Amino acid sequence: KNQVEQSPQSLIILEGKNCTLQCNYTVSPFSNLRWYKQDTGRGPVSLTIMTFSENTKSNGRYTATLDADTKQSSLHITASQLSDSASYICVVADRGSTLGRLYFGRGTQLTVWP
Amino acid sequence: NAGVTQTPKFQVLKTGQSMTLQCAQDMNHEYMSWYRQDPGMGLRLIHYSVGAGITDQGEVPNGYNVSRSTTEDFPLRLLSAAPSQTSVYFCASSYGRTTRMNTEAFFGQGTRLTVV
Repeated sequence: KNQVEQSPQSLIILEGKNCTLQCNYTVSPFSNLRWYKQDTGRGPVSLTIMTFSENTKSNGRYTATLDADTKQSSLHITASQLSDSASYICVVADRGSTLGRLYFGRGTQLTVWP
Repeated sequence: NAGVTQTPKFQVLKTGQSMTLQCAQDMNHEYMSWYRQDPGMGLRLIHYSVGAGITDQGEVPNGYNVSRSTTEDFPLRLLSAAPSQTSVYFCASSYGRTTRMNTEAFFGQGTRLTVV
């Protein structure tokens, strides 16, 4: 069964600190992995997209890693800001469907305190 | 540039009522999808369309109907609302299949639906 699991479910950190969010997936055949940020009451917004050939991808203070062999990804946030408070969702696209079906994790709820 | 626009933002329905959630995009995207987001669960695909006149079912299609008469619009119809359909609904669009690396999926701001 195609699944995307994220950990931790929630995380609280102090402003200026770093954190790392985890994602494990079983989606097959694998196409690409995406990280989205979802602010409260808003739709998800894309942070990074990676294929199996990419190990690391950065977008400002966000750095995603991918290990396609172990089917694991992480999102590292550096020097956190209050505006980083949001849900971070790991999404995996499969290669076998007409749509390029996206499988969503449940998200990690990050809260940054001043 | 409006992107993906959903209306309404909030809606309360009584059990058995019908309604249409509207979704419009101005990016000339061929692919459009509807998802629902429930507490403690990832987004789940309801229906999708790969072009005008072409629709297909996703993971949780029961109780919902869609049509795609134009490239811009992809409305979602609830035929007879049930409390189990209380959820936040998101419409998404992309230029092509999301198996392509440079294909971003853009999401609307969501419609929060409560069925009582």
